[in-house]
Amino acid sequence: DQQVKQNSPSLSVQEGRISILNCDYTNSMFDYFLWYKKYPAEGPTFLISISSIKDKNEDGRFTVFLNKSAKHLSLHIVPSQPGDSAVYFCAASAKERGSQGNLIFGKGTKLSVKP
Amino acid sequence: GAGVSQSPSNKVTEKGKDVELRCDPISGHTALYWYRQSLGQGLEFLIYFQGNSAPDKSGLPSDRFSAERTGGSVSTLTIQRTQQEDSAVYLCASSPRGWGVNTGELFFGEGSRLTVL
Repeated sequence: DQQVKQNSPSLSVQEGRISILNCDYTNSMFDYFLWYKKYPAEGPTFLISISSIKDKNEDGRFTVFLNKSAKHLSLHIVPSQPGDSAVYFCAASAKERGSQGNLIFGKGTKLSVKP
Repeated sequence: GAGVSQSPSNKVTEKGKDVELRCDPISGHTALYWYRQSLGQGLEFLIYFQGNSAPDKSGLPSDRFSAERTGGSVSTLTIQRTQQEDSAVYLCASSPRGWGVNTGELFFGEGSRLTVL
């Protein structure tokens, strides 16, 4: 009963094109969503987040879109660069649940950006 | 160092042995988290410490797992009588404030890879 699902284990994109990574969630109580990036042999690093009161948050080449009715969010990377090649984790949390700190992660999508 | 530090980076042990994994959070961070990532899986929440409050242990998979945080800083995750299914990368993270207070991001260490033979 995965609450956060990343259905694509991998994605390959040409350099300069757009990368779109998708994430679905099942818990309607989630109200905060984050994307983390992970390089091999390193810990995940925070990339971008979005609160449920918004439907879009943009930071440079990275934009996260949230569709609450569909319980779906996506991360867009434009333009994609070879250095973006990493595993991207979607994560969600519900502050009101009272289980503080319980950030639920998806299984990740491995992005490969080809030169 | 400025980041979250974890040791050992790699640990190979025999089934039935106890292991201890250590985490040094970023100085001044009041919140500390343990996650683990098994092969092909996402990050699984284990335990969360916030200041002097009682830890949230809701993610610990069994009573063989325990963790403590001494002096509000260093944390040790202990796994007793290890089993092969405990093999995973154990990740520690810290944040400046508790999750419920400020939904800030977590700063992760590089992880401790545990292999139980």
